[in-house]
Amino acid sequence: EAGVAQSPRYKIIEKRQSVAFWCNPISGHATLYWYQQILGQGPKLLIQFQNNGVVDDSQLPKDRFSAERLKGVDSTLKIQPAKLEDSAVYLCASSFGTGTRTEAFFGQGTRLTVV
Amino acid sequence: DAKTTQPPSMDCAEGRAANLPCNHSTISGNEYVYWYRQIHSQGPQYIIHGLKNNETNEMASLIITEDRKSSTLILPHATLRDTAVYYCIVRLRSNDYKLSFGAGTTVTVRA
Repeated sequence: EAGVAQSPRYKIIEKRQSVAFWCNPISGHATLYWYQQILGQGPKLLIQFQNNGVVDDSQLPKDRFSAERLKGVDSTLKIQPAKLEDSAVYLCASSFGTGTRTEAFFGQGTRLTVV
Repeated sequence: DAKTTQPPSMDCAEGRAANLPCNHSTISGNEYVYWYRQIHSQGPQYIIHGLKNNETNEMASLIITEDRKSSTLILPHATLRDTAVYYCIVRLRSNDYKLSFGAGTTVTVRA
């Protein structure tokens, strides 16, 4: 099966600019996650969707970050305006929403550099 | 979610078994132990999960103590490609619950 697709792979922007990341989960996966991974740290969950609804966004900096999941499939994560500390890899993951298959599959990530 | 404690790093010889410990002393009765790994410049990869019985798949074995307060991930014959950060995660087995990563254990397999 095709994996989780993310784009772009790399992005360099200046601080105070805006940026958007796109994720296409595995077909049929109801749950979608966005993580932020700063160099040397484990991934930090930003937001989790179950179909169209938000399950958890407690660690999403809502003053500058936003995310949406269109029709319960693709998702975009936006940062506006970006800060230097937003430099990180942004990972998208998906998993089946029901039953016994709860393992998450991750994309390659988008490496964001804010200068 | 219950917290986990893992050693920050460990080395392993190629061809030998690698035993990765994880402490989760506050785990509740309906929480599972999941293991993921992250090879450099890639997204995390699911390895295995279990509740209380030992589990084995094509990648690894998971041994959970009887009191469920700790577990060990075993890579039976480590190869250089197993060099990665390994994460032990405790969560309810439902996609309604978040999947939270700690710092993990950096495993280096040496030739």
